Amino acid sequence: GQQVMQIPQYQHVQEGEDFTTYCNSSTTLSNIQWYKQRPGGHPVFLIQLVKSGEVKKQKRLTFQFGEAKKNSSLHITATQTTDVGTYFCGSNTGKLIFGQGTTLQVKP
Amino acid sequence: DTEVTQTPKHLVMGMTNKKSLKCEQHMGHRAMYWYKQKAKKPPELMFVYSYEKLSINESVPSRFSPECPNSSLLNLHLHALQPEDSALYLCASSQDRNGRRLHEQFFGPGTRLTVL
Repeated sequence: GQQVMQIPQYQHVQEGEDFTTYCNSSTTLSNIQWYKQRPGGHPVFLIQLVKSGEVKKQKRLTFQFGEAKKNSSLHITATQTTDVGTYFCGSNTGKLIFGQGTTLQVKP
Repeated sequence: DTEVTQTPKHLVMGMTNKKSLKCEQHMGHRAMYWYKQKAKKPPELMFVYSYEKLSINESVPSRFSPECPNSSLLNLHLHALQPEDSALYLCASSQDRNGRRLHEQFFGPGTRLTVL
């Protein structure tokens, strides 16, 4: 089945710094979904990418899907304390398989 | 209503107990899911229901028994659990277009289970 590797596992940044998390697969992905889980919370859907080379923006968040559809990234510009949490990518082929997640800590 | 609800929020049970977790959604979604999440790990898929029928069982031990009484409800019956089964159990739902479940999933808040 499709598996995705996600790095880094943890990232500590100063408020205002940028943050990026990466997902990689050895196989072509039909889509990639991104979720955010706040501490003590549950995963919340952020976005889905399906097209090769797709780029989508949500305010300070930029999501990219690679040309070969084997990798994806989430970039946050000028982090805020509200960005704290674990960001998961996932491949959904009828069942959603998550990457290991990147936990973001933001120092005020 | 874009909410998935789960009860109870917390559950402590002994290894000989029988308990059930409940999940409900009123978004008209025909796919419902159970996940298990251990601390600092991603959610792991356990079961998928599509149109009230069990579609996927990810080789889950029989001490976990899912049930989908109708299109809005999903239960997980627990019996003879082990301490290593302690985890956050998440329910989710999504659209299901004739078995194609490629859309976003809506997660409930989870039940935090402790097995003594």
